[in-house]
Amino acid sequence: DSGVTQTPKHLITATGQRVTLRCSPRSGDLSVYWYQQSLDQGLQFLIQYYNGEERAKGNILERFSAQQFPDLHSELNLSSLELGDSALYFCASSVASGVEETQYFGPGTRLLVL
Amino acid sequence: AQRVTQPEKLLSVFKGAPVELKCNYSYSGSPELFWYVQYSRQRLQLLLRHISRESIKGFTADLNKGETSFHLKKPFAQEEDSAMYYCALPKDIIQGAQKLVFGQGTRLTINP
Repeated sequence: DSGVTQTPKHLITATGQRVTLRCSPRSGDLSVYWYQQSLDQGLQFLIQYYNGEERAKGNILERFSAQQFPDLHSELNLSSLELGDSALYFCASSVASGVEETQYFGPGTRLLVL
Repeated sequence: AQRVTQPEKLLSVFKGAPVELKCNYSYSGSPELFWYVQYSRQRLQLLLRHISRESIKGFTADLNKGETSFHLKKPFAQEEDSAMYYCALPKDIIQGAQKLVFGQGTRLTINP
């Protein structure tokens, strides 16, 4: 599959814990985006990386952080988890970073915090 | 602030009937708009974008700047069109950085 991949598919954890979500962009894509999808908030932009550097931040909590590695894969770290963090987390990628770019989405990681 | 509104959370039509999913936006410039679709248990995928002006799976969307709308239309609905549809507006945060602002989504159900 040459598309965006995300691991794990599902994650169940407890409040107060820390988890790491992983994303591999499409081959050749330099930009990675993270989104959170919840029932009450819908799809919300969290953060964007371009070629290893943070480019933009959205509604990302201080408990959350991300990074993009030299091989361009990205990880989203969620710490001190709360019940309200339960959501579907999507990663997307695009070739470059402008508004004309189409973002291609991964299958998502479903996080359940108990 | 840039915003995308999809007024219908749920839309149900019969197979063969016309479909229109509404999307309104607020944006001060000349917008680039997208429709994404999410079939059951699948990832979000791009359905079409304003700039390409093409028809995908029989769907079209026309940008109406006067009404600030980008409604998605299909003349004859098919059962496989049942899915969640999202209208999205890319927001240029700073030069070289963008995010997608999504509407709340419309769940389309095509009844046989």
